[in-house]
Amino acid sequence: ETGVTQSPTHLIKTRGQQVTLRCSSQSGHNTVSWYQQALGQGPQFIFQYYREEENGRGNFPPRFSGLQFPNYSSELNVNALELDDSALYLCASSLGGDTDTQYFGPGTRLTVL
Amino acid sequence: QKEVEQDPGPLSVPEGAIVSLNCTYSNSAFQYFMWYRQYSRKGPELLMYTYSSGNKEDGRFTAQVDKSSKYISLFIRDSQPSDSATYLCAMSGAQGGSEKLVFGKGTKLTVNP
Repeated sequence: ETGVTQSPTHLIKTRGQQVTLRCSSQSGHNTVSWYQQALGQGPQFIFQYYREEENGRGNFPPRFSGLQFPNYSSELNVNALELDDSALYLCASSLGGDTDTQYFGPGTRLTVL
Repeated sequence: QKEVEQDPGPLSVPEGAIVSLNCTYSNSAFQYFMWYRQYSRKGPELLMYTYSSGNKEDGRFTAQVDKSSKYISLFIRDSQPSDSATYLCAMSGAQGGSEKLVFGKGTKLTVNP
């Protein structure tokens, strides 16, 4: 069974640029959630995708957007990067049922200069 | 008031000690309770997953949920240096993995040989 994978591992951008982060869900999982984890904080929910449709969104501005593909992999896009966007971005996948929880990937560390 | 409160520590114990980690919460809608372990610069790893009130044991780990007090705990027996990590509590509503997880800030634990 393949776990959740994310790419890239680490990237550095400058303020105002755009970034795309990628996630491959665990085999058989149809739900993908994205979280932002600032240094010293717990992860904060950005949004969730279920079968290619957005299925809930946290308190993040519209410049955070996402996609889920037919194979259930997902992308997180962030436009007009700000310094405060520097964080570890985590992708989690789940089966989508109420008896299953979410399993996390290793994360992408984004640094905005 | 934050939905989930967790003492960030840090907590330092000798090898072999019993460790107690705790979270309190304010949202009565939470039904599922999780503990994740996160090593430095890695993604969170699921340790324990419980539904509603009660205890759950898995090896050296015991999770307790007291919904009447809105209080959850994780106990680690015979702690090992390899247990040194940040421990995150997380919660979700009735839809389990189909909902956002709400995390505490995490408690950083160091187990000294």
